[in-house]
Parts: sequence; C-alpha cells; structure tokens
Amino acid sequence: RKEVEQDPGPFNVPEGATVAFNCTYSNSASQSFFWYRQDCRKEPKLLMSVYSSGNEDGRFTAQLNRASQYISLLIRDSKLSDSATYLCVVNMRSSASKIIFGSGTRLSIRP
Amino acid sequence: NAGVTQTPKFRILKIGQSMTLQCTQDMNHNYMYWYRQDPGMGLKLIYYSVGAGITDKGEVPNGYNVSRSTTEDFPLRLELAAPSQTSVYFCCTEGEGETQYFGPGTRLLVL
Repeated sequence: RKEVEQDPGPFNVPEGATVAFNCTYSNSASQSFFWYRQDCRKEPKLLMSVYSSGNEDGRFTAQLNRASQYISLLIRDSKLSDSATYLCVVNMRSSASKIIFGSGTRLSIRP
Repeated sequence: NAGVTQTPKFRILKIGQSMTLQCTQDMNHNYMYWYRQDPGMGLKLIYYSVGAGITDKGEVPNGYNVSRSTTEDFPLRLELAAPSQTSVYFCCTEGEGETQYFGPGTRLLVL
C-alpha cells in the first residue's frame, strides 16, 4: 500500500462548480499535512497547510481526519485558473526524509 | 530574492555520460532536497541535506551523488547516465512552517 494515495483524476468540472478531493495516508504517526498545486511543466507550490481543526483560505477549505487517516481539499466556485494538479503532502517530521508526496489529482475546469 | 534556482533547464545526455545539476538558494535555509518526478508519478526523494557538510540518502539514491559545501549550493551529480534517469529533477528548500520552496526544475533526457 502506498504511503500517500490520491485519486489521479482527471476531475473535469464546469466553472463555478464545487469540487473536492481526498488523500489517504497509511502511517498514523504522520504529523503535518499540506496541499501543493502544480501547474503543467512547472514546479509545485504550496497551496495551504492542513490543520487539525480544518482551515479555509478564500474558496479553498482543507480538512484533516486523523481517525480515518485522510485529508481533503474543497474548492468552491471553481475558476478556470484552478486547473492544475493538486499534490497531497504528508510530513512525519521525525526526519527530513519522511516528507511524502502523493502522485497528485488532476483538475480541469471547463468554461 | 531569487529563491531557488536550478541550471540547466533542459539537457539531453547520452548513456554513460555524466553531468551535474546545479541548485542554489538565497533564503539561508538549512534543509535542502533533490526530487525526481516521472510522468504521472509523485516526487521521489533522491538525497537531502540538513545543513552544510551533511547529506543523506533518500528513497531513490542509486546512480546519484550530492555534496553540500555551503548553505547556498546543493549540486546533484549523475556519474553514468542511464535511460531510467530520464525525468524532471526538482531541488527544494524547507522554510518556516515546513513549507517546501521548489526550483523550476531540470528536464533530463537520457538517450
């Protein structure tokens, strides 16, 4: 079983729709969680950290469910510019080598 | 601030050739990482460094070497290029809040 798993998609949704992705992780000792965004042929960039209590940044909401070992990302009122691959990142924080990237979920917003 | 810079942007190598991928940062971050990303796959950690003079292997170190003589520079060396090393290579640093700052990447094709 992969340490971090994501549905690869693609998710193809109309502009203005709400879309959500999940990411599951296998190691219960994981401590920090993040969502990164990666545009085609570009480097990943931090979208948001995921806190235990859940957090929101504009149209984006991230949540953590430790009991079921998953994190989620919700995008409301999606824009064409939201089209990208969204990477789930889990950090065990016990050593630098324990930062695990998911393989990403591809999102395409259509007009 | 330039952040993280990588050179070259793109390179074609013949099997058996060697090359060095350069990575430089001006953020004074201690932690630096080298990842490779294959199409449709997550980022795989090759090597990492927690500070000048200290390096350690990641998940996929075979065929690569690194050095960290200064805080700013973290070059990645390929000694005998193989087709399996065709990939996109990302260097990144870790800053406040465990945020990973990526360079723009080096696309390597081994023929």
